[in-house]
Amino acid sequence: EAGVAQSPRYKIIEKRQSVAFWCNPISGHATLYWYQQILGQGPKLLIQFQNNGVVDDSQLPKDRFSAERLKGVDSTLKIQPAKLEDSAVYLCASSLSVLLNTEAFFGQGTRLTVV
Amino acid sequence: DQQVKQNSPSLSVQEGRISILNCDYTNSMFDYFLWYKKYPAEGPTFLISISSIKDKNEDGRFTVFLNKSAKHLSLHIVPSQPGDSAVYFCAASSSQGSARQLTFGSGTQLTVLP
Repeated sequence: EAGVAQSPRYKIIEKRQSVAFWCNPISGHATLYWYQQILGQGPKLLIQFQNNGVVDDSQLPKDRFSAERLKGVDSTLKIQPAKLEDSAVYLCASSLSVLLNTEAFFGQGTRLTVV
Repeated sequence: DQQVKQNSPSLSVQEGRISILNCDYTNSMFDYFLWYKKYPAEGPTFLISISSIKDKNEDGRFTVFLNKSAKHLSLHIVPSQPGDSAVYFCAASSSQGSARQLTFGSGTQLTVLP
């Protein structure tokens, strides 16, 4: 079974530039998550989708971050414009359902460096 | 406000001995707890979980204990192996409205010495 796919693996941009990350969840998983992991901290949820609807985006900095999952499968996370403090690993995860007690499966992440 | 806390950033143990990783939580609405393991340059991988209706769950060398009154859980690895060296994250889940949310601790770096 293929896992959660993310691209790119690494990205270096200058502050005020834009960047986009892509995620393809495990086939059949209705729930998709984007997490931000700053060095030395645990993953912090940015946004959670159930199919193509947003379930929770309360911690997403909406003035600069946006995410979509138009067809209920792939998802993109965009930052525009980036700030130095956005340097982090961005993890995508998926699970069978947001309603069940099931584990989330993570991709390898995209390491973003803003200079 | 950290709802899930792992107060030990690092832990070193000798190969073959027991590793005990601890986690505390503050939100009494959490009803499902998970441990994830993370190697460098990889995403976290699920290790073991426990429901709040249980106080122990065992899977091979890994056992998770839950003390609800103390809002504390721990992960025991026996015997520890060098391949267990990784960052371990404790996570807790609650049902908020129609969705379950997962909140992570800051992680503990475990080093198993050969």
